[in-house]
Amino acid sequence: AQTVTQSQPEMSVQEAETVTLSCTYDTSENNYYLFWYKQPPSRQMILVIRQEAYKQQNATENRFSVNFQKAAKSFSLKISDSQLGDTAMYFCAFMKHAGANSKLTFGKGITLSVRP
Amino acid sequence: DTEVTQTPKHLVMGMTNKKSLKCEQHMGHRAMYWYKQKAKKPPELMFVYSYEKLSINESVPSRFSPECPNSSLLNLHLHALQPEDSALYLCASSQDPSEVISYNEQFFGPGTRLTVL
Repeated sequence: AQTVTQSQPEMSVQEAETVTLSCTYDTSENNYYLFWYKQPPSRQMILVIRQEAYKQQNATENRFSVNFQKAAKSFSLKISDSQLGDTAMYFCAFMKHAGANSKLTFGKGITLSVRP
Repeated sequence: DTEVTQTPKHLVMGMTNKKSLKCEQHMGHRAMYWYKQKAKKPPELMFVYSYEKLSINESVPSRFSPECPNSSLLNLHLHALQPEDSALYLCASSQDPSEVISYNEQFFGPGTRLTVL
């Protein structure tokens, strides 16, 4: 079974600064998918960024980038130039394969607060 | 249209009531999901429909009854719920239940906030 660990329950960052959210996972699979989801206080969950395990290059989406260390089973999210709208709960998630019967395994989540 | 819609936004019901939650998507997705989420916790998978057929039931109590009338619609029928069933119920959809495509992003709806009295 897969597990996803987010050990920091809360973090705070000053607006315009950079913050890194950590995530580790455990799996015996070689090919899989990793995701960071964001859930703002309005509660709609949206995908921030995804990474396919077979790709060595770290994924980047505008101000969001990941540091994917496959051997260490680590998948951290870096948010650059933090904005007030980044205040949300962030979930790291693992998926074994692309089929619908492959479940998303979520970490416990981290609450990020961006201070003005 | 890249949206999953859910109705109602809020629902308050007694333990003897029967109610239904509705989820709709028009992205042509063939997999749809129900999740239950408690405050400050990750979503917990309840059911998965693949090509309108129930493919996963995570041992959910029978007081929750899912239904997929067509590829765009997903319902969750509620009957004789308990106060501990109060939660945010999220619906999600993804493109292709098969493993042909390289990834299968799940798009989430805004959820229905359910309170059971």
